[in-house]
Amino acid sequence: EDQVTQSPEALRLQEGESSSLNCSYTVSGLRGLFWYRQDPGKGPEFLFTLYSAGEEKEKERLKATLTKKESFLHITAPKPEDSATYLCAVPNSGNTPLVFGKGTRLSVIA
Amino acid sequence: GAVVSQHPSWVICKSGTSVKIECRSLDFQATTMFWYRQFPKQSLMLMATSNEGSKATYEQGVEKDKFLINHASLTLSTLTVTSAHPEDSSFYICSAIRRVNEQFFGPGTRLTVL
Repeated sequence: EDQVTQSPEALRLQEGESSSLNCSYTVSGLRGLFWYRQDPGKGPEFLFTLYSAGEEKEKERLKATLTKKESFLHITAPKPEDSATYLCAVPNSGNTPLVFGKGTRLSVIA
Repeated sequence: GAVVSQHPSWVICKSGTSVKIECRSLDFQATTMFWYRQFPKQSLMLMATSNEGSKATYEQGVEKDKFLINHASLTLSTLTVTSAHPEDSSFYICSAIRRVNEQFFGPGTRLTVL
């Protein structure tokens, strides 16, 4: 059973066209939900950690939000340099490795 | 953020040879590091947990005799792919934990086995 499910699998946006990526999770006792950005041929780059429902965090054109069942990564007025795969992950427990979703491949077209 | 490096960034080898990949935490000590593998257009799949001074813990289906892990110091873990075959070709990524819920990833190593 998948613990982390991301949608859509791929998203193509025009520059300036805002949208949201979804990450739903099924783990109980959430110990943090992580968002990473991964460029082709590179390791994941940390973006945000959210811990409790209602929490929001922002970084430039990105805003992450969290509910009890899912997280959204909102992208406002995206630029071509925002094109990447966005990964959502949760830890099984405490200091353990992360369980990743399959990611959303975002393409922003100028 | 914290810095984790990997070396080499890419490697091409012949089938049957062994390849060693290094993962270093450059500005913090990490008692725990993780090794992931990622196939094209797939997400990261955990291979093993590397603990400093003790044996690694491998995920189900990962051959411990094929993927040798050594975590000899608080800043270095190595993954050796022994007797590599073309099906071992993949993108190998390590991560290191600085403190609880702070996990930083290396840039990855692209392994191609001919």
